[in-house]
Order: sequence, then structure tokens, then C-alpha cells
Amino acid sequence: AQSVTQLGSHVSVSEGALVLLRCNYSSSVPPYLFWYVQYPNQGLQLLLKYTSAATLVKGINDFEAEFKKSETSFHLTKPSAHMSDAAEYFCAVSGASGGSYIPTFGRGTSLIVHP
Amino acid sequence: NAGVTQTPKFRVLKTGQSMTLLCAQDMNHEYMYWYRQDPGMGLRLIHYSVGEGTTAKGEVPDGYNVSRLKKQNFLLGLESAAPSQTSVYFCASSPGLGIGETQYFGPGTRLLVL
Repeated sequence: AQSVTQLGSHVSVSEGALVLLRCNYSSSVPPYLFWYVQYPNQGLQLLLKYTSAATLVKGINDFEAEFKKSETSFHLTKPSAHMSDAAEYFCAVSGASGGSYIPTFGRGTSLIVHP
Repeated sequence: NAGVTQTPKFRVLKTGQSMTLLCAQDMNHEYMYWYRQDPGMGLRLIHYSVGEGTTAKGEVPDGYNVSRLKKQNFLLGLESAAPSQTSVYFCASSPGLGIGETQYFGPGTRLLVL
């Protein structure tokens, strides 16, 4: 079985501040991990993903995430928030469970950026 | 290359009415998925398909049916709509090459059931 927990349904930061969105996973097999972003009234799009190569993964728009097996975490960070980063962020985990690669999504974290 | 498209974008139904949501993809992907998104619940998988002519149940399949008669299309049907089915529905597709692949999402269909 696999699951994802995103800590905090809402995160509020000031423009220019560090962004940290937390994701912890549970998986009985080595996981593949994803961060997707959903801008208002749009579908989800991939931000970055970890597929067992480098543990520090860089994505679009200066976002990055670090896979920490010992902490079962895959937190998303960005050094300096922009107003345009305001969106819903979803963490997802995929593992070869029962021959299915279907990802499981977290409940999402809404990032609010204040001027 | 349109990617994943969904029809309609918005729909209002009365309780008991039926409707079909259409998802189309032009990327020749094998896998297709239907999700519903509700506030505080994230994305929940309704049904999915791993190839033309195949479908499988996801996490919340009750009250929905699906069909994948053509590789590029994945239909989601509501036979008798209920207010609990008010939601935003997203279709997604992926190549079907294996674990760790990216899903590509459509823009969503907002459904309101009165």
C-alpha cells in the first residue's frame, strides 16, 4: 500500500520568502515521487519527480525537492516566492504495488503569496 | 498537439439525470484516468484504463461507469446523478511505459448536481 501526507492544507508566505511545502510518503516498495502544481481553474501539471536517480531533484520555476529515505519525506522548496507561485500543490507517490503503477495523490497544499 | 481535452467544461444537472463526460488525448498514450477533486480531499481516482477496451475501478467508482472503445477517448458516465457527485472532474493520460511516468491532465469539467 502507498500513501502520501501533505502537512498543512494552506501555507502563506511573503513575496521573496522561502517556500517550503511538506510531503511524507508511505510505500512498501521503493517509491517514485512527484510534485504537481495546479494554477487556478486549470488542470495539474508536473513540477518535478524523483525516479531513483539523484536525491535532489530540480524542477521548473526554480522549485526543487529532496528525497530523504530515512525521513520518508519529499519536501518541496523554492528560495524566493513570486506572486505567480500562488497555486495548489500536490504530492504523489507511485510504487509497483500489485503490478499497478497508478499514483496516489495527497490532499494538496494551497500556497498563498502576499505582496 | 492539443494534449488532453475534456468536454464539456461546465454542466448543471438535476438529481437523477444522466450525462457523459468525454476525454480525448492526441499523444497516443496507453493509460487514461478519471479523477474527481473535492475541497480538502485532493484527487481521488474513479476509474482508469490501461489500454483500448480495458477499464478498472479506482478508489471511488460507485455511481460511475466508463468506456474506452477507442485508444484516444475515455468516457465517464453518470447514470443517475446525485448531489454528492458535484465536483470537478479531471481526466489524465500517461504513456503506459512503466513506473514513474508523468501524467498529463486535462483542464477539468465542473459538474453541479442540484
